[in-house]
Amino acid sequence: GDSVTQMEGPVTLSEEAFLTINCTYTATGYPSLFWYVQYPGEGLQLLLKATKADDKGSNKGFEATYRKETTSFHLEKGSVQVSDSAVYFCAEGSTLGRLYFGRGTQLTVWP
Amino acid sequence: DVKVTQSSRYLVKRTGEKVFLECVQDMDHENMFWYRQDPGLGLRLIYFSYDVKMKEKGDIPEGYSVSREKKERFSLILESASTNQTSMYLCASSFPVYGGTQYFGPGTRLTVL
Repeated sequence: GDSVTQMEGPVTLSEEAFLTINCTYTATGYPSLFWYVQYPGEGLQLLLKATKADDKGSNKGFEATYRKETTSFHLEKGSVQVSDSAVYFCAEGSTLGRLYFGRGTQLTVWP
Repeated sequence: DVKVTQSSRYLVKRTGEKVFLECVQDMDHENMFWYRQDPGLGLRLIYFSYDVKMKEKGDIPEGYSVSREKKERFSLILESASTNQTSMYLCASSFPVYGGTQYFGPGTRLTVL
């Protein structure tokens, strides 16, 4: 069945460092792709999404590009802040609205 | 803004008790979902519903049931709670469209003693 594999954590960075969290998916066709973020003690919230090949989703300085040829949707940010410390989840969507999530990547940013 | 609310943030129950977790959304979404979240395992889908009185099993339905009598409300039921059901439970809702975003509630941290 469909599945998503994302980079295992934890990831620890210094403030202003460059962030990449890798994500690959297995669905055939053109699934919608998402990154969600979970701050401590909260539920998940949508960070960005892309619905077709070569689309770039972006929000709060984060970006991810839908790469059909490599079945990937890697999350990047040029300069992380302490406030970016959270758990990040990659997900792929099915036509009926169900999402398949990766296991999550814990990011800690130190000042 | 879309709002998904869950009846409790923290809940402590005893083994064998019947437990109800309630979820309400205010955006007229057809789809509703229940997940559990455990360290190292990510989110696992328990049950979902595409419409009132409809339900579909997710990946880990054993030990759980659900009820959806009204469009805005989706309940998760633990018929006889066990310690291995201690977890964070997350509810979500969405429209049934391609690329539809799921909106999540804040979660319920359930501890079964």
